[in-house]
Amino acid sequence: EVQLLESGGGLVQPGGSLRLSCAASGFTFSSYASTWVRQPLGKGLEWVSAITETGGYTYYADSVKGRFTISRDYSKNALYLQMNGLRAEDTAIYYCAKISRGYFGMDVWGPGTTVTVSS
Amino acid sequence: EIVMTQSPATLSVSPGERATLSCRASQSLSSNLAWYQQKPGQAPRLLIFGASTRATGVPARFSGSGSGTDFTLTISSLQSEDFAVYYCQQYNNWPYTFGQGTKLEIK
Repeated sequence: EVQLLESGGGLVQPGGSLRLSCAASGFTFSSYASTWVRQPLGKGLEWVSAITETGGYTYYADSVKGRFTISRDYSKNALYLQMNGLRAEDTAIYYCAKISRGYFGMDVWGPGTTVTVSS
Repeated sequence: EIVMTQSPATLSVSPGERATLSCRASQSLSSNLAWYQQKPGQAPRLLIFGASTRATGVPARFSGSGSGTDFTLTISSLQSEDFAVYYCQQYNNWPYTFGQGTKLEIK
């Protein structure tokens, strides 16, 4: 079964750091691009970042550029999101998702992990 | 960045009736648009990609249409499990962007 499972969320103070992980299983992780999407409680979806199959290209929303870094570890079939300089507005559920072959949307999603930025 | 605008924000429809949701892009996407369904407490689910192609396992009552800047998601005969929030998302350009969502509620 194709699955994604996020971890690493929690409570962090403003200005702090957190690293999210996403474990992939049931598919050839290295063959697909991956992405992070977040959703503040009760609000809509916001795309955050993406990384290509080879890891050669990364993309970021303006709201996180310079603070967040996406990466992947092929040996562990894992996707990461390093988040630095966290702000209250970064509080959200963070989902990792698999981008379909050919980049036609996000066809597999994890259940999400919650990040709360508060003092 | 491409701005995606969905309408209406909330749509009230009776079971068995048809629902029509709209999504407009601030610039042409060709057909590089996806629709997602999200139920409370769940992750989004891909319904439609390429503006009109149903994802695996999506019932035929869901259909997508449009190209360029104007897109529509139609649910032909609403079932109880279809009441949810629907999002459009463009993947024509980075950064990817989502619409703000349409909540489909029972009338």
